[in-house]
Amino acid sequence: SSELIQPPSVSVSPGQTARITCSADSLPNQYTSWYRQRPGQAPVLVIYKDTERPSGIPERFSGSTSGTTVTLTISGVQAEDEADYYCQSADSSGVVFGGGTKLTVL
Amino acid sequence: QIQLQESGPGLVKPSETLSLTCTLSGVSITHYYWSWIRQSPGKGLEWVGYVDDSGITKYNVALRSRVFISVDTSKSQFSLNVNSVTAADTAMYFCARGGGPAALDHWGQGTLVTVSS
Repeated sequence: SSELIQPPSVSVSPGQTARITCSADSLPNQYTSWYRQRPGQAPVLVIYKDTERPSGIPERFSGSTSGTTVTLTISGVQAEDEADYYCQSADSSGVVFGGGTKLTVL
Repeated sequence: QIQLQESGPGLVKPSETLSLTCTLSGVSITHYYWSWIRQSPGKGLEWVGYVDDSGITKYNVALRSRVFISVDTSKSQFSLNVNSVTAADTAMYFCARGGGPAALDHWGQGTLVTVSS
């Protein structure tokens, strides 16, 4: 099955732009989604179909894709954005998650 | 408003079967995939499997021999069974709408299951 690789951690200061990458070991044939998980809470969908934002998710969250790498961009990072972020896709074996990235707001 | 609620024992003995149910409200169980995802303490998310409203399932290859997911459309519920559990199955278990090609757009709050004698 596919493997999705994320950096373990990303740190930014408030107001800066955070970029979290998700690299696949082969060309994905399904869309990628992104989830935010704050401590002690269930994950929340923040991006689906690579670039789409669900209702209620701030416009500062955006997604992009280039080749086998997808990127979650958070513009104007706020303290409340500090969380773990997971990418997720699907292949013939089922659903696969990246290992997660801890976003720290300095 | 769509809500998912996991229920089941919080403690299971080694070698026994873990059984959880996810009850839906505010949404029809038809026309969607329904997934179970787990998260071991301090670790990342692991997809367990999904079921659709006709009962068709797909499981994580690593768990396939021990996992069974079923759906009861009359009760708007879907269920997870994991047999022959060990301490490695200790985790927070989440149910969610979606799976396969569909994003996981609604999640339950999760339920912690500990495997211990």
